[in-house]
Amino acid sequence: AQSVAQPEDQVKVAEGNPLTVKCTYSVSGNPYLFWYVQYPNRGLQFLLKYITGDNLVKGSYGFEAEFNKSQTSFHLKKPSALVSDSALYFCAVRDPHASNTGKLIFGQGTTLQVKP
Amino acid sequence: DVKVTQSSRYLVKRTGEKVFLECVQDMDHENMFWYRQDPGLGLRLIYFSYDVKMKEKGDIPEGYSVSREKKERFSLILESASTNQTSMYLCASSLKLYRSYEQYFGPGTRLTVT
Repeated sequence: AQSVAQPEDQVKVAEGNPLTVKCTYSVSGNPYLFWYVQYPNRGLQFLLKYITGDNLVKGSYGFEAEFNKSQTSFHLKKPSALVSDSALYFCAVRDPHASNTGKLIFGQGTTLQVKP
Repeated sequence: DVKVTQSSRYLVKRTGEKVFLECVQDMDHENMFWYRQDPGLGLRLIYFSYDVKMKEKGDIPEGYSVSREKKERFSLILESASTNQTSMYLCASSLKLYRSYEQYFGPGTRLTVT
């Protein structure tokens, strides 16, 4: 079965420190991977995607993600966390069996807490 | 910028009522989706539509139906609301374009069924 896993329910970091939010995937074929952020009482906002090319993808708000095919991972990173980065983060992968419909499979989400 | 709007931010309905949740997108996207979001369960796909009048069941379609009569509008219908349908409902849309699969989300509707 196609799936996405976010192994950590919560990540806590101090402001100014680097942050990593982990994501692993299991899909057939080439994965198309996404990260979204959700602030309280808001919809999800698209951060970045990996389709092909450079394994390091840069996105909005200073976030980047590293695609690692051998480890089937797509971890979200930021060199220096801000308190305002505190939010719920979702990893997603395109469903390869429904590619013409744009259907995505989402992870369970990871709450990031950045402490001042 | 893509804009996806949902008819209500907060909604309170009684058990047994018929509930309509409306979603409108202004970017001519072919694909539209309805999710519900519950703590600890992430996003679960209810229904999606890849064209006008076309719809497919997602992972949890029971108790829901949808309607897509116009390209920009996708409606979620709870035929007879129940308390276990209390949740946050999110609508999203995306372009049917090769390698352009990112979905754009509305602000959500928090539905409470009493």
